[in-house]
Amino acid sequence: EPEVTQTPSHQVTQMGQEVILRCVPISNHLYFYWYRQILGQKVEFLVSFYNNEISEKSEIFDDQFSVERPDGSNFTLKIRSTKLEDSAMYFCASSDRDRGLLRSYNSPLHFGNGTRLTVT
Amino acid sequence: TQLLEQSPQFLSIQEGENLTVYCNSSSVFSSLQWYRQEPGEGPVLLVTVVTGGEVKKLKRLTFQFGDARKDSSLHITAAQPGDTGLYLCAGKYSGNTPLVFGKGTRLSVIA
Repeated sequence: EPEVTQTPSHQVTQMGQEVILRCVPISNHLYFYWYRQILGQKVEFLVSFYNNEISEKSEIFDDQFSVERPDGSNFTLKIRSTKLEDSAMYFCASSDRDRGLLRSYNSPLHFGNGTRLTVT
Repeated sequence: TQLLEQSPQFLSIQEGENLTVYCNSSSVFSSLQWYRQEPGEGPVLLVTVVTGGEVKKLKRLTFQFGDARKDSSLHITAAQPGDTGLYLCAGKYSGNTPLVFGKGTRLSVIA
């Protein structure tokens, strides 16, 4: 079964440094997402991406964050200047709209196994 | 900010027991999904419910969507140690809004 893959599995960086988290979504999916999960807290939405542009973003996704789909397979999340509070698991997800279902329903999200970002 | 509350937060039971966990919101969902998350992994979808009153079964797991589409429950019959994990509900309040997650119920099934 196709799956979403994320690299690296663990990234340690110093405060103020830039990091790029990489994701390869499922190949025929059209919608891409980044979520994060701070230890012990809930999974939080960061950003959604469709048709080569951001379709929605949360308050967390400030100017320090950016996303890019540099080619036909990769989807990246960049944090320009990391802060201690950016330490979290970052999950990439992808989905494909099921055209047979109600307009209000989106296909389920397929998540990768995450990148654990530790900012020291 | 729309909140999605899950209860209980933690649940520890003996193998063979039945259990129910809950997901509640003050707002109406357009759709709701249940995920299970293992340590070190991403959430994995269990089920999606769309219609008020809908009941879906997945082996020993029964999912129910409230008539008003504001709440949902997950019932596990004869729990097994393999059911141990974090159960997350996630809802969409409209077709164009992002999926919002609850904090989850951490289930531990003891052999």
